[in-house]
Amino acid sequence: GESVGLHLPTLSVQEGDNSIINCAYSNSASDYFIWYKQESGKGPQFIIDIRSNMDKRQGQRVTVLLNKTVKHLSLQIAATQPGDSAVYFCAENRGSQGNLIFGKGTKLSVKP
Amino acid sequence: NAGVTQTPKFRILKIGQSMTLQCTQDMNHNYMYWYRQDPGMGLKLIYYSVGAGITDKGEVPNGYNVSRSTTEDFPLRLELAAPSQTSVYFCASSYSRTSGTSQYFGPGTRLLVL
Repeated sequence: GESVGLHLPTLSVQEGDNSIINCAYSNSASDYFIWYKQESGKGPQFIIDIRSNMDKRQGQRVTVLLNKTVKHLSLQIAATQPGDSAVYFCAENRGSQGNLIFGKGTKLSVKP
Repeated sequence: NAGVTQTPKFRILKIGQSMTLQCTQDMNHNYMYWYRQDPGMGLKLIYYSVGAGITDKGEVPNGYNVSRSTTEDFPLRLELAAPSQTSVYFCASSYSRTSGTSQYFGPGTRLLVL
């Protein structure tokens, strides 16, 4: 069935390294994608988004890449810090319905 | 702004009991949502509302009810709690429902049904 999923459920990186979190989506009609960060015991927090007419968008220390050919989304975090430790979710908006579909999440652990 | 607030933070229910999870937002958003998050899983949409007086089912509405009498409040009602409803519940809001609009989430309510 259609789904938004993640290639890696857990990711452990050294402080200062760059992190890459991946996400696959299956619905070519999806036109908007969001990355959320969820710290333990808290609600998801918006990080960055991208529309389907773009292939790259940069924020502060974060970059989202969208490859529509292979239906793949990635979140890159530069100079990963301990405060980046969290679960990261990708979500897609499937056009006119307006409801977000969430992936399962990737847990990022940053080692000092 | 407080954003999206939820109460209670944590609750234990016995099977068959009922309760209401409260959600309030102060951003004047028309759109509000209820999700549940099971361990190790993504968020599943329970119900959503596009404005006061208008609600609609999401992906997993069975066992829940909602109402939207004001723009600010969107309570979620569990009438006959079941162990399968043990989960973390998140309320969210957005100013638009069209593509390109992010949702803002509350801190969650952790519910345990025994």
